[in-house]
Amino acid sequence: EPEVTQTPSHQVTQMGQEVILRCVPISNHLYFYWYRQILGQKVEFLVSFYNNEISEKSEIFDDQFSVERPDGSNFTLKIRSTKLEDSAMYFCASGTEYSNQPQHFGDGTRLSIL
Amino acid sequence: GESVGLHLPTLSVQEGDNSIINCAYSNSASDYFIWYKQESGKGPQFIIDIRSNMDKRQGQRVTVLLNKTVKHLSLQIAATQPGDSAVYFCAENRGSQGNLIFGKGTKLSVKP
Repeated sequence: EPEVTQTPSHQVTQMGQEVILRCVPISNHLYFYWYRQILGQKVEFLVSFYNNEISEKSEIFDDQFSVERPDGSNFTLKIRSTKLEDSAMYFCASGTEYSNQPQHFGDGTRLSIL
Repeated sequence: GESVGLHLPTLSVQEGDNSIINCAYSNSASDYFIWYKQESGKGPQFIIDIRSNMDKRQGQRVTVLLNKTVKHLSLQIAATQPGDSAVYFCAENRGSQGNLIFGKGTKLSVKP
């Protein structure tokens, strides 16, 4: 069964450094998402992406965040200058439709900011 | 506020019993709902979904019930097994928006 894959599984970064989280969505999916989950809390939406542009973004997704689909398979989340509060699990998801269809999630990247 | 929430943070059941996990939502514009299962160290795994034009949907050992009158969603797991132990999240999709709004999660523990 096709799945969303994310790398790395764990990223440790010094505060203020840039980090790039990588995702390979399911191949025939057109809609891509990033979510985050702070330890012990619920999953929170960050951004959705379709046709090479952002469709929606939450208040969390400020100027420090950016997304990119650099080629036909990868989807990346960049945090320009990391803060301690960026420590969380970051999940990539993809779907066949914008709404009313399930989104399929990867197993996440655990980001630890020191 | 407008959010998806859960009544119980933890649920402990005996192996073989049925489990019922509940979820409340407050936005009547929500028209699509999903239940996800999250095991430790993994991402949310799709279990079952339901659209707002339905009251009930069944899958393999799972049933989702939607009560639009009281804005309530439930997940029923029949003959609960140890492998069902996980955190279960409900999520809603609001109208034309693509993002999912997640509830806080219920941790299901299955006792052998």
